[in-house]
Amino acid sequence: QVQLQESGPGLVKPSETLSLTCTVSGGSVNSGSYYWSWIRQPPGKGLEWIGCIYYSGNTNYKPSLKSRVTISVVTSKNQFSLKLNSVTAADTAVYFCARETILRGVTDGQNYYYMDVWGKGTTVTVSS
Amino acid sequence: DIQLTQSPSFLSASVGDRVTITCRASQGISSYLAWYQQKPGKAPKLLIYAASTLQSGVPSRFSGSGSGTEFTLTISSLQPEDFATYCCQQLTSYPYTFGQGTKLEIK
Repeated sequence: QVQLQESGPGLVKPSETLSLTCTVSGGSVNSGSYYWSWIRQPPGKGLEWIGCIYYSGNTNYKPSLKSRVTISVVTSKNQFSLKLNSVTAADTAVYFCARETILRGVTDGQNYYYMDVWGKGTTVTVSS
Repeated sequence: DIQLTQSPSFLSASVGDRVTITCRASQGISSYLAWYQQKPGKAPKLLIYAASTLQSGVPSRFSGSGSGTEFTLTISSLQPEDFATYCCQQLTSYPYTFGQGTKLEIK
């Protein structure tokens, strides 16, 4: 059974870089059947999609974060990572990594996507 | 970005009740919609994908319907473990977006 685990500092100073790693166990990041995603949730608020990466290295980012975000994959370690630079208090949140499955519909041949495996989340606070 | 608006934002119900949550998209998203359940301090759990397909292991009292811009999540008979926050997500185009959530509370 695939499991994801986030790791990284829980406290980051304003203007510095937030760095998180998601370790995948029970499966491989080197698969064409999935995207690997980062999502965050500020305290008391809803979920916000940050971006995702395919095993080939292709990435997609939320436009409002794109200038500050880098998502990368390290297949040798079965990990993918998130870097968010120039952080402010607004970046304080619980950060989740998730697997996005690509499923080809049997009847219509369309690709469907869904996030079926999530890490437990890690709290990152931006404060001096 | 595609906006998703859920209604209601809060819902009070009793064990055994049938409840329906609506998710409306600001533009058509075909059937590229998923529903998640989230409990406090936990990660979201996938319930429904492709608008109406039940994720493996999810009880059959959960069902989803809709396409285009209007979708519903229905719980046919509420169980104590169902009291949580529910949110929808569109996966038709980047950036993916989520609804603001519906908090289901015990009456």
